[in-house]
Amino acid sequence: GIQVEQSPPDLILQEGANSTLRCNFSDSVNNLQWFHQNPWGQLINLFYIPSGTKQNGRLSATTVATERYSLLYISSSQTTDSGVYFCAPLDNYGQNFVFGPGTRLSVLP
Amino acid sequence: DTGVSQNPRHKITKRGQNVTFRCDPISEHNRLYWYRQTLGQGPEFLTYFQNEAQLEKSRLLSDRFSAERPKGSFSTLEIQRTEQGDSAMYLCASRFPGQGIGGYTFGSGTRLTVV
Repeated sequence: GIQVEQSPPDLILQEGANSTLRCNFSDSVNNLQWFHQNPWGQLINLFYIPSGTKQNGRLSATTVATERYSLLYISSSQTTDSGVYFCAPLDNYGQNFVFGPGTRLSVLP
Repeated sequence: DTGVSQNPRHKITKRGQNVTFRCDPISEHNRLYWYRQTLGQGPEFLTYFQNEAQLEKSRLLSDRFSAERPKGSFSTLEIQRTEQGDSAMYLCASRFPGQGIGGYTFGSGTRLTVV
């Protein structure tokens, strides 16, 4: 099955700083999602990004499917950005997400 | 509709007891998924339903686990003879296929602690 790696595993930022989170995956994928899990455990969809670049406010994501990686950019970070960010391609049957181990982000005031 | 609802939010049980969790999906979502998330890890797929039919089960779903979705509405996940290794967050998600993958919506989860 698909293997997913994320880096860095942990990241501590001062409020206002920018950051880049990386996701590598072992096989070609047709679908990939970025999620944010807040400190209360809720998983929130950020981007559906099988290829190309998307932006939503201070967040943007880029997936280069041919090179099997995706990047999540957070600009002008805020304390509410804290939590765990997961990259999750769909499995080969197209139904279930294969989650990476996540990047734990802490934004300090 | 306020999203995917899971109950209870927390459950503490003694080893060997049976537990049951409930998931109420968004009403028009005919696909329902269960995932398990252990501490410090990403969620792992357990099983999914389309309407009342259970279409796929992960090998993580041992014979002590059973999931149902009667009438294609809410779903229950039962764990029999709980073990300490079952301690985890159990997440439910639902979606309507016409929305695509971006319509996948997770609940807040049920955190199980087996003592």
